Amino acid sequence: ELKVEQNPLFLSMQEGKNYTIYCNYSTTSDRLYWYRQDPGKSLESLFVLLSNGAVKQEGRLMASLDTKARLSTLHITAAVHDLSATYFCAVDASGYALNFGKGTSLLVTP
Amino acid sequence: DTGVSQDPRHKITKRGQNVTFRCDPISEHNRLYWYRQTLGQGPEFLTYFQNEAQLEKSRLLSDRFSAERPKGSFSTLEIQRTEQGDSAMYLCASTPGGREVTSSYNEQFFGPGTRLTVL
Repeated sequence: ELKVEQNPLFLSMQEGKNYTIYCNYSTTSDRLYWYRQDPGKSLESLFVLLSNGAVKQEGRLMASLDTKARLSTLHITAAVHDLSATYFCAVDASGYALNFGKGTSLLVTP
Repeated sequence: DTGVSQDPRHKITKRGQNVTFRCDPISEHNRLYWYRQTLGQGPEFLTYFQNEAQLEKSRLLSDRFSAERPKGSFSTLEIQRTEQGDSAMYLCASTPGGREVTSSYNEQFFGPGTRLTVL
């Protein structure tokens, strides 16, 4: 059974600081996705990582994928309050079902 | 709005009642997925359709659950004899389907969800 583990599960950080969220998974896959979810809302696609070494950046967020280590990271640069949300990584090892981590709840404080 | 839509957005029901949810995928998306999300957890896969064919079902999908996509467009998810443990957010997602269609293979676009509360 594919396991997807994120850490930390909760993160409180000050505005302007940098931090990294980690996503480890237990089986071979070269397809990994990052989503954002605001409270009571659905999931918004952030990044699609489809190969080893893939790196994508959008604003203050940068995601990378190391398929050999079965690890993806989501790096936050100079956090702002608007980034407060829950971030999920999801691994596709089947070609249809996405296996999600438990999510990292991020709170950015002044 | 050309995104995935779901109806209703909220449903409160009593234990033992039947409920049905509807999902309209993005136009021309061949694949449609259903997920369930409980508080503090990530979404869990339930089932998916390629056009009108239901191709996979998770073991989470008990006999009380049934999903259909009769014309390959919208889909319905019915839960019979609801239990309190069915309380969750039910999410629908769609993708174009097929490697040749997009480089963002299997990037799933989610709808707003239906929040079910079973009393």
